[in-house]
Amino acid sequence: LAKTTQPISMDSYEGQEVNITCSHNNIATNDYITWYQQFPSQGPRFIIQGYKTKVTNEVASLFIPADRKSSTLSLPRVSLSDTAVYYCLVGDIWGTTDSWGKLQFGAGTQVVVTP
Amino acid sequence: NAGVTQTPKFQVLKTGQSMTLQCAQDMNHNSMYWYRQDPGMGLRLIYYSASEGTTDKGEVPNGYNVSRLNKREFSLRLESAAPSQTSVYFCASRQDQNTEAFFGQGTRLTVV
Repeated sequence: LAKTTQPISMDSYEGQEVNITCSHNNIATNDYITWYQQFPSQGPRFIIQGYKTKVTNEVASLFIPADRKSSTLSLPRVSLSDTAVYYCLVGDIWGTTDSWGKLQFGAGTQVVVTP
Repeated sequence: NAGVTQTPKFQVLKTGQSMTLQCAQDMNHNSMYWYRQDPGMGLRLIYYSASEGTTDKGEVPNGYNVSRLNKREFSLRLESAAPSQTSVYFCASRQDQNTEAFFGQGTRLTVV
């Protein structure tokens, strides 16, 4: 089971780019990197996943170097509504780590965006 | 689109009381899960149901029971609440282990 390490918190101002780096040194060959976002008083929701290089969608970009031992979630031009906890998961394509369909969440990174 | 609905949203219990947390999904998903989230920690799996009629323990099942009433509903019961069960409880569902998981909005439970 690949362990992930990410910063506990990050502060940003509106309009800035936020980059959250997740370390996963013992990622397995078949593992994907998946990120979830959790707003206050809500459950987590999937935002992006990738295996290597770069993935971009309407919410974020995910950068994965060739050695895949880390990944960086990039949130462009953040707004107040991007204040949330962001979780990095390593597992199958949806972040699952076992046959139960279990999602292994760590403590995540609390991102606070201020005006 | 309702997705995953949890009731109640908030609850305060006295130690020793019992209660059932309700979860329903309208996406015809096979698998359902109950997680708890404590301050500064990630979500921990309490119980899961891979399909209708089956339930299995997760990593922190002690003090809880579950019922997969039908394909839509998966309830979590606390028979004798303890302060250590103060937490936010999330229900999730997915079609199967190889698809996206969807979470409810959570139930904030306080046991005094």
